[in-house]
Amino acid sequence: AQSVTQLDSQVPVFEEAPVELRCNYSSSVSVYLFWYVQYPNQGLQLLLKYLSGSTLVESINGFEAEFNKSQTSFHLRKPSVHISDTAEYFCAVSLDTGRRALTFGSGTRLQVQP
Amino acid sequence: DTGVSQDPRHKITKRGQNVTFRCDPISEHNRLYWYRQTLGQGPEFLTYFQNEAQLEKSRLLSDRFSAERPKGSFSTLEIQRTEQGDSAMYLCASSQMGEQFFGPGTRLTVL
Repeated sequence: AQSVTQLDSQVPVFEEAPVELRCNYSSSVSVYLFWYVQYPNQGLQLLLKYLSGSTLVESINGFEAEFNKSQTSFHLRKPSVHISDTAEYFCAVSLDTGRRALTFGSGTRLQVQP
Repeated sequence: DTGVSQDPRHKITKRGQNVTFRCDPISEHNRLYWYRQTLGQGPEFLTYFQNEAQLEKSRLLSDRFSAERPKGSFSTLEIQRTEQGDSAMYLCASSQMGEQFFGPGTRLTVL
C-alpha cells in the first residue's frame, strides 16, 4: 500500500515571500504524483502532476514541484506568493496515471498574509 | 456549467436514518469515484466505477454503504443506519483519460 505524508498542517507566509510545502510518499512500487488545491468553498482542483519525463513540473500560476525518487519526495514551491494563493494544498499518489484511486496526504493550509 | 455536480450540497440527518447522495459526472467521462473527507484530513478513497461496473471498493466502505451507477452516467451513494462517525464531506470525481475532476461535495452531518 502507498501513503503520503504532509508534515506541515499550516504554513503562514507573507505576500511575495517564497514558500515550500513538503510532501513525502511511501510505496513499494512506482507511483504517479499529484498536487491538488482547494480554495475556500470550492472543490479540489488539480494543480500539477508528475507522470514521467522531467522531474520538475510547473503549473500555470507559478507553482512548481520536483519529483525526487531517492528521497521519495514531491515538494511544492513558489518563489513569490500572492494573497490569492491562500488555500488548502493536498499531495496525492496513484498507482496509475490518475485513473485509479488517489491516496491523499492530510493537507497543508497555506495562509498568505499581507 | 459542465463540471461535476453533487446533490444535495448539505444533508443533516438523525442517527439511524438512511441517506442517499447523487453525483453527476462530466459528460462522457467513463470513470466515477467516491471519496470521503473528514475535518483536517485529506480525501479517502471509497469506490470507483468504470461505466456501470464497480471496479474497486475500499475497506472503508462498510456493509452500510452502497454505491451504484446503473446506466454508466450518474451515481448514487447510500448510507444505511447512519452513525455519527459518518459525518463528513462526500466527494465525487470523474475522469476520462487520467485527471480526476472533483465536484463540490455533499456535507453530511449526523446528529
